[in-house]
Amino acid sequence: ETGVTQSPTHLIKTRGQQVTLRCSSQSGHNTVSWYQQALGQGPQFIFQYYREEENGRGNFPPRFSGLQFPNYSSELNVNALELDDSALYLCASSVSGGYSNTEAFFGQGTRLTVV
Amino acid sequence: AQRVTQPEKLLSVFKGAPVELKCNYSYSGSPELFWYVQYSRQRLQLLLRHISRESIKGFTADLNKGETSFHLKKPFAQEEDSAMYYCALIPAAGNKLTFGGGTRVLVKP
Repeated sequence: ETGVTQSPTHLIKTRGQQVTLRCSSQSGHNTVSWYQQALGQGPQFIFQYYREEENGRGNFPPRFSGLQFPNYSSELNVNALELDDSALYLCASSVSGGYSNTEAFFGQGTRLTVV
Repeated sequence: AQRVTQPEKLLSVFKGAPVELKCNYSYSGSPELFWYVQYSRQRLQLLLRHISRESIKGFTADLNKGETSFHLKKPFAQEEDSAMYYCALIPAAGNKLTFGGGTRVLVKP
């Protein structure tokens, strides 16, 4: 059984650019959630994908978008990068069905620096 | 909207001493509460959830709905407990984890 993997581990982008972060969910998991963790703060929910559709969104602008693929892997896209987007981006996978959610397993994160 | 507050940024205790990490939440319904832990250079992982009522690595947490608290306790701290701890909640029938700001625990020898 493989765990949640994220790529790349580190990334430096210039303000105004676009970035794509990738996440492979744990085997057997059908749900992927993305979180932003600024330095010294707890993770903040960006959005969740279930069966390739967005299934809940946090307080983030539309320039944060995502995709989930048939193999349940996922991408997080951020357009028009701002300096405040510098953070650790975490992906978590779980199994969802009805009202039941299993434990969320986290990846190691992608550290994004916007300069 | 739900909110999780961890009032202590840093807790420093000696090995063998008790440790208690405070967590207060605001949510009008019946949430599910969790404690997550991040050891140095490791990923965030689940420590315990209130519905399981388990003791994990000697840690316990009791949900107090009257005080809207979910404090994490361990009677005898060990050096390997040094880590970052996050309290989190999911609303009833919800899907998003709301995290507190985290408490760093340092257990001194």
